[in-house]
Amino acid sequence: ELKVEQNPLFLSMQEGKNYTIYCNYSTTSDRLYWYRQDPGKSLESLFVLLSNGAVKQEGRLMASLDTKARLSTLHITAAVHDLSATYFCAVDAVSGNTPLVFGKGTRLSVIA
Amino acid sequence: EPEVTQTPSHQVTQMGQEVILRCVPISNHLYFYWYRQILGQKVEFLVSFYNNEISEKSEIFDDQFSVERPDGSNFTLKIRSTKLEDSAMYFCASKGTGPVYLHFGNGTRLTVT
Repeated sequence: ELKVEQNPLFLSMQEGKNYTIYCNYSTTSDRLYWYRQDPGKSLESLFVLLSNGAVKQEGRLMASLDTKARLSTLHITAAVHDLSATYFCAVDAVSGNTPLVFGKGTRLSVIA
Repeated sequence: EPEVTQTPSHQVTQMGQEVILRCVPISNHLYFYWYRQILGQKVEFLVSFYNNEISEKSEIFDDQFSVERPDGSNFTLKIRSTKLEDSAMYFCASKGTGPVYLHFGNGTRLTVT
């Protein structure tokens, strides 16, 4: 059974600081997704990482994937309040169009 | 940009009643999914649907649940006899072929009283 673990689950950080969210998964996969969710809202696609060593960046967020370590990171640079949200990583199995398995999410709060 | 639409946005029902949650996936997508999220918790897979049949389902998706694609555009989730623990946000999602994003709808918040 594919398991996805995120840490930390809660993160309070000051504006301007940097931090990293970690996502570990239990079985072989080379497809990892990051989503953002604002309170009461839907899931917004951020990144899809499809190969070992993949790195994607959008604004203050950068995601990377190490398939050998079964680890993805979401790095936040110089946080701003607008980044406050819950961030989910999700993984699907290598074959076919199997469903995504989500981590528990990291609730990020950026404070002044 | 095309999007997945869900109706209603909020449904309140009494325990034991049947509910139907509706979704219109993105038109050229082939794979359809239902997920649910109990308040403040993680997003859990319920069922996937491809080629007019269920391709996978989770343990949550028991005999009380069913899905249908009645007319080639809508994709519905029916809960036959709702329980209090069915209260959650239900998300419909769709995608095309290959390793691409799952596109999520805005969700239906189901409250069972």
